[in-house]
Amino acid sequence: SQTIHQWPATLVQPVGSPLSLECTVEGTSNPNLYWYRQAAGRGLQLLFYSVGIGQISSEVPQNLSASRPQDRQFILSSKKLLLSDSGFYLCAWSVVWLIGGRWEGDSTDTQYFGPGTRLTVL
Amino acid sequence: AQSVTQLGSHVSVSEGALVLLRCNYSSSVPPYLFWYVQYPNQGLQLLLKYTTGATLVKGINGFEAEFKKSETSFHLTKPSAHMSDAAEYFCAVSVTGGGNKLTFGTGTQLKVEL
Repeated sequence: SQTIHQWPATLVQPVGSPLSLECTVEGTSNPNLYWYRQAAGRGLQLLFYSVGIGQISSEVPQNLSASRPQDRQFILSSKKLLLSDSGFYLCAWSVVWLIGGRWEGDSTDTQYFGPGTRLTVL
Repeated sequence: AQSVTQLGSHVSVSEGALVLLRCNYSSSVPPYLFWYVQYPNQGLQLLLKYTTGATLVKGINGFEAEFKKSETSFHLTKPSAHMSDAAEYFCAVSVTGGGNKLTFGTGTQLKVEL
């Protein structure tokens, strides 16, 4: 069975410090990977998604970046945190299918979420 | 572009009462719709989803939702609320065209009272 891990579970960082959040998936290959941020009263905002190693799409301009150094590893980073970066960060994955030699995502496929990281920037 | 609106950021029901959480969507193409539940300080768990076929979809924990194209709605219901249903519920629509992205509503916090 597939599992998704995120760490750390909670993090308190000063403004201006760097950030590195890690997400790993087990039990599947070549998944789509996603980073979301959930701020109080604002729902979930998609930050980045990746369809393969080294392939990152950014959804919103910000001081965060993402990388996918391995097939099942997704990292969220920042060089200098802002107060507005506080929130609950969720990683998710979904299945992709090899169709005609290309990996294709299916919009009907479920996204599976990790347990999240609570980030507080002071 | 697709979008989702959840009416009511907070809903309170008595234990044993009907649960109704509202979701309306906007989409220029046939949508794929999802309901997720989030318990405090946890990730999201899929309750149910509609892709094609039967418009009444049954999910886990006794929840169900009905896709109504004419009303552009996908409301979540449960006949009898239980204390363990207290959580935040998110409606989402799948964005077609690469990456299988989801657009979420702002969520509805369900409170269940004795």
